[in-house]
Amino acid sequence: GQNIDQPTEMTATEGAIVQINCTYQTSGFNGLFWYQQHAGEAPTFLSYNVLDGLEEKGRFSSFLSRSKGYSYLLLKELQMKDSASYLCAVRVSYNTDKLIFGTGTRLQVFP
Amino acid sequence: KAGVTQTPRYLIKTRGQQVTLSCSPISGHRSVSWYQQTPGQGLQFLFEYFSETQRNKGNFPGRFSGRQFSNSRSEMNVSTLELGDSALYLCASTDRDMNTEAFFGQGTRLTVV
Repeated sequence: GQNIDQPTEMTATEGAIVQINCTYQTSGFNGLFWYQQHAGEAPTFLSYNVLDGLEEKGRFSSFLSRSKGYSYLLLKELQMKDSASYLCAVRVSYNTDKLIFGTGTRLQVFP
Repeated sequence: KAGVTQTPRYLIKTRGQQVTLSCSPISGHRSVSWYQQTPGQGLQFLFEYFSETQRNKGNFPGRFSGRQFSNSRSEMNVSTLELGDSALYLCASTDRDMNTEAFFGQGTRLTVV
């Protein structure tokens, strides 16, 4: 079976750092994606990891450990506009664009 | 470059009816995938099309079908609508030649009453 787990909700304060974890058990692995989705809007791409290690993009970083089936998304210097759902997704094969998604983590940032 | 365009944005249908949703991918993208998003289940994969061929299908009943045209535009159809089909239907396009991320459309919000 395919299973991706992430916390349902998280809260944090403006200016702080938050880490959103994602664990996965899938039949194959060809990359892990993080998307951000504001209420009523389309998911937008944040980051992609296919090899172990840390990928940094401005205030956002993502980490992957394939041996542990684990990833995290790190958001620094939180802003109010970062309040959104964060979706972890795995592509299970090179020959497909099919993504298996977790149920998403709803992040609320408070002033 | 224009993004992924889905039409219509909102639909209200009654039980038993059928519905067709449309998706125009980013120009040059030949891969289109469809997802159903509900509050409890998150994004669930429906189908994947590449060059007019269905490459993958998710665990949805046969009432859900789709197709892709030669210009890469895609449609999905749901027949004999049920209340539980109420959801946000998202389309994503990918440039398979570049093996990049999927770009999502704004979605079609379907409400079945």
